[in-house]
Amino acid sequence: GAGVSQSPSNKVTEKGKDVELRCDPISGHTALYWYRQSLGQGLEFLIYFQGNSAPDKSGLPSDRFSAERTGGSVSTLTIQRTQQEDSAVYLCASSLGVGRANTEAFFGQGTRLTVV
Amino acid sequence: AQSVTQPDIHITVSEGASLELRCNYSYGATPYLFWYVQSPGQGLQLLLKYFSGDTLVQGIKGFEAEFKRSQSSFNLRKPSVHWSDAAEYFCAVSGNTGKLIFGQGTTLQVKP
Repeated sequence: GAGVSQSPSNKVTEKGKDVELRCDPISGHTALYWYRQSLGQGLEFLIYFQGNSAPDKSGLPSDRFSAERTGGSVSTLTIQRTQQEDSAVYLCASSLGVGRANTEAFFGQGTRLTVV
Repeated sequence: AQSVTQPDIHITVSEGASLELRCNYSYGATPYLFWYVQSPGQGLQLLLKYFSGDTLVQGIKGFEAEFKRSQSSFNLRKPSVHWSDAAEYFCAVSGNTGKLIFGQGTTLQVKP
């Protein structure tokens, strides 16, 4: 597609349930990033993929959060046993790769997650 | 530690007035610097970026920013603000991996 696509755009889930958020990067972009935007914490980095590998997952808040990327393309962010503090907008971005100009990131519209 | 500081959480300017949004960064290596804009309910749109070279960079929508290494700053400017510029503005820094560290954001309100 022309841009980064995220689904669903909105998700309401009950506390304790698992959720999966999907990101479809721009075709040909080898790097993929997940961020979280919440009122109290601003924009936080979660995890970064280069190809199917995740060299930096330092921003994942707890072991309830995991992410994978397959085929160097689509990525899924999974949150297990959701808590109310997980409510936020989850943003995905992709870029051509590493090194200077290749790192310009293009963002999707985000998934708004509400845990009730 | 790597960080970005946007000292102004909220700024109000009159339409047609000039604008400057401040950004200071702390980064151990050569920084790549960005300004993004986010309108309500929208994703992040890149306004401009600095990788190297000329320290004054031009972006979209009439915005520009100046990189000052000695002051660790990358302030965003616009000579004449339009009502449609009302939004939240984020300064960010990254290195070779492209991992972005964002400031807390500055909300711009434009008075008619």
